[in-house]
Amino acid sequence: DAGVTQSPTHLIKTRGQQVTLRCSPKSGHDTVSWYQQALGQGPQFIFQYYEEEERQRGNFPDRFSGHQFPNYSSELNVNALLLGDSALYLCASSLGGEAFFGQGTRLTVV
Amino acid sequence: AQSVTQLDSHVSVSEGTPVLLRCNYSSSYSPSLFWYVQHPNKGLQLLLKYTSAATLVKGINGFEAEFKKSETSFHLTKPSAHMSDAAEYFCVVSDPTLFSGNTGKLIFGQGTTLQVKP
Repeated sequence: DAGVTQSPTHLIKTRGQQVTLRCSPKSGHDTVSWYQQALGQGPQFIFQYYEEEERQRGNFPDRFSGHQFPNYSSELNVNALLLGDSALYLCASSLGGEAFFGQGTRLTVV
Repeated sequence: AQSVTQLDSHVSVSEGTPVLLRCNYSSSYSPSLFWYVQHPNKGLQLLLKYTSAATLVKGINGFEAEFKKSETSFHLTKPSAHMSDAAEYFCVVSDPTLFSGNTGKLIFGQGTTLQVKP
């Protein structure tokens, strides 16, 4: 079992650009959640997807959007990037219990 | 609303001595509580979880935590620190979801950096 995989591992974007991050959940997991972890902080919940629908959302602007595909994989999209969006973005998958985290995507906005 | 407060941002211990990482929580519900560890450039790993069963929870790598409702605390302990324990530790409370059978959003504390000196 490959666990939760995220891609890319690192990327650099310019202010105002758009970015898409990808997540493949652990085998059989139907729920995917996304978190933002700024440097020196704990992860903050962005949103959760289940059955291709956004189920819960944290306190993030509409610039942050997502999608879940029929195979349960997920994308996180961020539009109009700001310097403050620089962070580690973590994906977690679950199936009625423990959440398993990927290693994250390090996004740097310059 | 649910929240967690980690009382120490940085803890330093010598190898072989006990570890204590402190966490207080606030919850309107009977909470589910977790401790996660994050090593540099690695993902978050679950150490242990409390879900209203035994109040003393044993986890991986010799860690354990005690749920104390009267003190709203969930402190993490280990009898003897190893060099490999040096990492960032997060106390986490789960926001209960309306949708049964799924893990709701996790609310993380600010983290405690554990330094282990030889």
